[in-house]
Amino acid sequence: GAGVSQSPSNKVTEKGKDVELRCDPISGHTALYWYRQRLGQGLEFLIYFQGNSAPDKSGLPSDRFSAERTGESVSTLTIQRTQQEDSAVYLCASSEGPQGPYEQYFGPGTRLTVT
Amino acid sequence: AQTVTQSQPEMSVQEAETVTLSCTYDTSESDYYLFWYKQPPSRQMILVIRQEAYKQQNATENRFSVNFQKAAKSFSLKISDSQLGDAAMYFCAYRSYAGGTSYGKLTFGQGTILTVHP
Repeated sequence: GAGVSQSPSNKVTEKGKDVELRCDPISGHTALYWYRQRLGQGLEFLIYFQGNSAPDKSGLPSDRFSAERTGESVSTLTIQRTQQEDSAVYLCASSEGPQGPYEQYFGPGTRLTVT
Repeated sequence: AQTVTQSQPEMSVQEAETVTLSCTYDTSESDYYLFWYKQPPSRQMILVIRQEAYKQQNATENRFSVNFQKAAKSFSLKISDSQLGDAAMYFCAYRSYAGGTSYGKLTFGQGTILTVHP
């Protein structure tokens, strides 16, 4: 079946512009995660969605970052007034649930470059 | 909060040889999961192997095996009979067992770049 997909694959934007990144999780996966990966670094947790519950936004680095998810479908991560330090790969992952042995399946990521 | 440390920024191995990647972690929890992920240049994160902390037996997946030392909080990955396709960035990751306030999020180390020489 289809895996996690993300769009766009690459995005170049000017400092100060807003960007929107999209994630399509695996069908039926209730849990969805966004991570940020700076160049040569590990992944940092940003935000988590589980079904219709309130999201865990504890990893968002500033109020310029926000995310939405409609039910158990598509999620969008929005970065307002982008800064150069926002340049990174943004990865989305989904799983059948947050607990137990469920594996997180990752998308290919969106590489964001802020000039 | 949990932390994961990979002290080897880069490692190299000859094709068909064995290499071990190191990982240590810090946690006050008794039940958790540990993972090794592989990230090739395509950026796609691929799960290599998983270990449940309550299991004493080390996990193995074909040429990949781990040495899990719970008391020492150490979780190394051994790759046997290395192949050119094993070249990638490898990440060690931690996840709480019961979800709780961490909601199943993964905490990653900084990664180790593995080069395989023909």
